[in-house]
Parts: sequence; C-alpha cells; structure tokens
Amino acid sequence: EVQLVESGGGLVQPGGSLRLSCAASGFTFSSYAMSWVRQAPGKGLEWVSGISGTGASTYYADSVNGRFTISRDNSNNILYLQMNSLRAEDTAVYYCAKGGGRRTYYFDYWGQGTLVTVSS
Amino acid sequence: EIVLTQSPGTLSLSPGERATLSCRASQSVSGSYLAWYQQKPGQAPRLLIYGASSRATGIPDRFSGSGSGTDFTLTISRLEPEDFAVYFCQQYGSSPYTFGQGTKVEIK
Repeated sequence: EVQLVESGGGLVQPGGSLRLSCAASGFTFSSYAMSWVRQAPGKGLEWVSGISGTGASTYYADSVNGRFTISRDNSNNILYLQMNSLRAEDTAVYYCAKGGGRRTYYFDYWGQGTLVTVSS
Repeated sequence: EIVLTQSPGTLSLSPGERATLSCRASQSVSGSYLAWYQQKPGQAPRLLIYGASSRATGIPDRFSGSGSGTDFTLTISRLEPEDFAVYFCQQYGSSPYTFGQGTKVEIK
C-alpha cells in the first residue's frame, strides 16, 4: 500500500524558514517523480515544485523559485522541501504527491498534507 | 506558463443527472498530458483521469475524459451522491505543471 506522510509544518514568522519532509513507502521510491502541491485556505490547488526519480531534474513554480528547494533521499525514501524567505501568501496545506512515472507529473497518490502558517 | 480555465465555476445538478465539466488551456497541452482530480472537504485530491482520457485505478466508468489540444472535458454520466465535490484539471505537459481553479459540483 502506497503511503505518503508529511511532517514539518507549523507556524513561522514572515522571512523565516521551514523544512517539510515526506516519508514514502509501498513503492519503489526512486522510480517515480515527486512533487509538492499546496492549497491555501479555501482556495484551489497550486503546484509548487517537482523532482525527477533520480533527483537530477528539479522544477519550480515562479511564485517560489529562488526561495524553495526540493530534494530527495532515495536511500531513505524521503522527499524534502526547504522553504526560505517565507511570506504570508505561502500559508497553505502542503501536500506531497507521487508522480505517475520517473519523469511524469500527474499525481496518483497524495499525502494528507501538513499546514504551514506564515504570520507574525 | 499554461493557464487552465475551468467552467462553469459551480454546477448545480441532481443525483442521476449528467455532469459536463470543461477545462480550456491558454496554449496547446503537449501529448494530451491532462489530468482530472476530485477533492472533497478536508481530504486530499484523488486522481480520476490522466492522459486526457485514461481512468485511474479503481475509478468507476461513469467518469470519462476527452479532448486534446486546448479543450478538455470531464463527464460524469450519472451523478451518484458521493460525486458531489470539487474537480480540478491539471496539465503536466510542461513545467510549471498548472492546475485549473476548480469546478464545484453541488446538489441542486
């Protein structure tokens, strides 16, 4: 059974940093692209960042490019999102999502999400 | 960046009726790399359709997808009570992998 469990969310001040983690199990982690998708309260879905199965290729939304860094540990089946220079508009539930293939970015499994709140 | 526009914003229908949801892209989606998701309150999204028309594992055949280029459609042939939810389209042909703003299917 595929499982994705996010952690690391919480309350942070504007300008601060946070690192999200996603522990994956139930599939061959290195064979699949992974992404982070966020959802602000009461709003729609926003793709944030993606990484290929090997980790060689990374992609970012314009809204986070230069502030967020995605990475993965294929030895321990963990996906990360390092978030720096956080802004109020980054407040959202952040979902970890499994891609449909090594370089395929539709999402067939999702975690339950972790809430990030940016506020003073 | 490819902008996806979903219509209508809200669809009010009764159980048993047919639902037709539209997703229009600002430019052609390469390879028909278009997916549809269903989201219920307090839950993570669920994949329904990928590749514009392929149903994901375990998705009932009352859900179907069609389209290519810039115009895509999700059809629910006969609405069941559990189908009332918000539906999002997403293109994964080119980064950034954008979502539409969503269509809410509500009970009339």
